[in-house]
Amino acid sequence: DTAVSQTPKYLVTQMGNDKSIKCEQNLGHDTMYWYKQDSKKFLKIMFSYNNKELIINETVPNRFSPKSPDKAHLNLHINSLELGDSAVYFCATASGPNQPQHFGDGTRLSIL
Amino acid sequence: GDSVTQMEGPVTLSEEAFLTINCTYTATGYPSLFWYVQYPGEGLQLLLKATKADDKGSNKGFEATYRKETTSFHLEKGSVQVSDSAVYFCALSAADGNEKLTFGTGTRLTIIP
Repeated sequence: DTAVSQTPKYLVTQMGNDKSIKCEQNLGHDTMYWYKQDSKKFLKIMFSYNNKELIINETVPNRFSPKSPDKAHLNLHINSLELGDSAVYFCATASGPNQPQHFGDGTRLSIL
Repeated sequence: GDSVTQMEGPVTLSEEAFLTINCTYTATGYPSLFWYVQYPGEGLQLLLKATKADDKGSNKGFEATYRKETTSFHLEKGSVQVSDSAVYFCALSAADGNEKLTFGTGTRLTIIP
């Protein structure tokens, strides 16, 4: 069983479209995150949720909206996609503060 | 704010060579420190961690010691293998418990037979 699973693995779409990326975890962790990794491999946190509540929002444009329907899921919806949104997006989970985070395999988003 | 500075890559070594990847940090208090590894096409995996000064994290032959006096957490391995080829990330989790990981820029390591 995959601990943190993201779908889809690849997403190719046109500029201006709206798309969603899903994340599910079966570790029973309270905290979930979204990270963005750019073409130079630089990783930056976007959001974190704890028990379905938003904890961190790191100056991400309003076009990005995370949604946590339950503790095991944190989905990322992106409106009006732009070229600069092309990146690999990683979901991660942790059992608590300062604990190691468990990452999904990533979703590679390419905007044409 | 918190930051992590990592040795610039890429790093290319021969098999069985000694590896050091430097990592220094800036943070208030006593953050937790981590090394993560990313193999091609995969997500990040925790390699090792240390939560307080002078702790040594170790895993799969890799080691790193939390040095408060030099604010460093350098990654070392005595004899690298081709299978160690990956991107390595140093990261910290702030002492204030806000649960955010701050990453270094990553170091790409390639081991040649």
